[in-house]
Amino acid sequence: NAGVTQTPKFRVLKTGQSMTLLCAQDMNHEYMYWYRQDPGMGLRLIHYSVGEGTTAKGEVPDGYNVSRLKKQNFLLGLESAAPSQTSVYFCASSYLSRGGNTQYFGPGTRLTVL
Amino acid sequence: GEDVEQSLFLSVREGDSSVINCTYTDSSSTYLYWYKQEPGAGLQLLTYIFSNMDMKQDQRLTVLLNKKDKHLSLRIADTQTGDSAIYFCAESIGGGFKTIFGAGTRLFVKA
Repeated sequence: NAGVTQTPKFRVLKTGQSMTLLCAQDMNHEYMYWYRQDPGMGLRLIHYSVGEGTTAKGEVPDGYNVSRLKKQNFLLGLESAAPSQTSVYFCASSYLSRGGNTQYFGPGTRLTVL
Repeated sequence: GEDVEQSLFLSVREGDSSVINCTYTDSSSTYLYWYKQEPGAGLQLLTYIFSNMDMKQDQRLTVLLNKKDKHLSLRIADTQTGDSAIYFCAESIGGGFKTIFGAGTRLFVKA
């Protein structure tokens, strides 16, 4: 199993450009998440999905859109990138079990917006 | 609102014990977690504790939970240089599928 994969690993954008980050998981998990990680602020939830075809806003959704057309994929879009969106983006997936909601993380995408 | 707080840095000598502390605010949390992040990688679950437990031990790791004070700690015995990483405390909320993470504690292990 590859687990959770993210593409691309690195990206540099100019202000106003758009891009899509792709997350894929092969564990048949129902729940998927997009986080951003900034120094000293930990992980902040951008959007999440509780199943195919559903999405919901997290803590910091402004400037981002998501889609979950297939259970295994969760896409994060930036329509008009801003320097404040420079961050490391992590995708995660999970399912509820006796061990709670253990989340499995991808390796991250480092995005710089100039 | 929900919040998880932890100190940002901890430095220990190799072979000593490390204790990383965390406070959380949601008294209805059913699970509390410790995740580890190594440089350039995503987070990986280290251990978790169910809210009706006071302590959980897993090899070199000991988790202590004080529900009254909403305090969680992670003790790493015989800390090794390979334990150098960022450790995140987290709590599950809202029915379980949402998780709130602390800012992370960067552990430095000096040889």
